[in-house]
Amino acid sequence: GAGVSQSPSNKVTEKGKDVELRCDPISGHTALYWYRQSLGQGLEFLIYFQGNSAPDKSGLPSDRFSAERTGGSVSTLTIQRTQQEDSAVYLCASSSFPRGRVGETQYFGPGTRLLVL
Amino acid sequence: SQQGEEDPQALSIQEGENATMNCSYKTSINNLQWYRQNSGRGLVHLILIRSNEREKHSGRLRVTLDTSKKSSSLLITASRAADTASYFCATDRAPIRAAGNKLTFGGGTRVLVKP
Repeated sequence: GAGVSQSPSNKVTEKGKDVELRCDPISGHTALYWYRQSLGQGLEFLIYFQGNSAPDKSGLPSDRFSAERTGGSVSTLTIQRTQQEDSAVYLCASSSFPRGRVGETQYFGPGTRLLVL
Repeated sequence: SQQGEEDPQALSIQEGENATMNCSYKTSINNLQWYRQNSGRGLVHLILIRSNEREKHSGRLRVTLDTSKKSSSLLITASRAADTASYFCATDRAPIRAAGNKLTFGGGTRVLVKP
């Protein structure tokens, strides 16, 4: 059906508060990715979920960042005790992973623009 | 550090002209993808080229891949004002048959097509 959706579109928060960002992947896509795009850092990988496998958390910048994916579908990225340097656009992507193939196209959502004051 | 580096960082052309941008990367890849981004929001997938392919076309887009030089180029022919956007290359470095393929992005090329 529809593409990847993310909510909220924009989030303004105060330093020190926790935020939750949501991603709804394309139905049937088994792989889900979170990326961050900030000035001066470009687009950087954060975390990746594939089916029931343990997530690849190698891109998370600190232990204030965590993510979960419930029921193999919706994912939530949580940032605790936000800092001003967390301000960025957070992008979610999903892809299908047919057996025996690698490197499928990732489809991106519109992103959540986070501003930490 | 970014796996991909793009060149030029910015490009300004007249409508109807061709736009060419290049991407270089450092390690072996499974595939390379090009994306477009308008106004700093969602990325739109343009084209994927696999490591065993050398050239691929999609409409007005032409992508080349030279794995010996670890570089790729994106050509937009007969550009339109609507092509104004930032263009990113992204590489998939997962080993063959791995279950994950996180992308590593270049810094992007900002393209302005003047009417």
